[in-house]
Amino acid sequence: NAGVTQTPKFRVLKTGQSMTLLCAQDMNHEYMYWYRQDPGMGLRLIHYSVGEGTTAKGEVPDGYNVSRLKKQNFLLGLESAAPSQTSVYFCASKSPSGRDYEQYFGPGTRLTVT
Amino acid sequence: EDKVVQSPLSLVVHEGDTVTLNCSYEVTNFRSLLWYKQEKKAPTFLFMLTSSGIEKKSGRLSSILDKKELFSILNITATQTGDSAVYLCAVEANTGNQFYFGTGTSLTVIP
Repeated sequence: NAGVTQTPKFRVLKTGQSMTLLCAQDMNHEYMYWYRQDPGMGLRLIHYSVGEGTTAKGEVPDGYNVSRLKKQNFLLGLESAAPSQTSVYFCASKSPSGRDYEQYFGPGTRLTVT
Repeated sequence: EDKVVQSPLSLVVHEGDTVTLNCSYEVTNFRSLLWYKQEKKAPTFLFMLTSSGIEKKSGRLSSILDKKELFSILNITATQTGDSAVYLCAVEANTGNQFYFGTGTSLTVIP
């Protein structure tokens, strides 16, 4: 049981390049989230998904796209990276109901855009 | 606009001290409030509170929620150097199942 995993752990991009961050969870959770964390800003929600095939915008969605083709995977795409997207990205998942209210976080991806 | 505000932003204490961290919120359709500890990596879950006035306790850590005044506190007694971390408060909204995070309180415990 690996929990929530993220790929890659680190990445350096040049401005204008594209990339996809992969989040995978093996807990059969319905809900998945992508956050970014910047110094002094806490975690800010980029996009989230409440089930396979569904996605929704969070607080800071501009410049990002997501897809949830399979229940266990949630992909975050940057089509044209900008220096303002330099950040640490965390994926999280949770069950929609019952006792399991907490979000389980992945280890994070540190992205630098030069 | 939904928001979560934590105070203080940072705190430096000596081992053995007791600290109180604050979290106030304005979130439409409140569902729950959660506390996390973050040490240079992913946040780890501490507490979830949904009802006013009921204290959650785990060892030296405890937390309580006041839904009327829209705030929560996290207490840490007899602090240890291992308590040094950023403590995050998050509020879950029923609408859209979103979580709103505060900026965190950075706690440093000096030996």
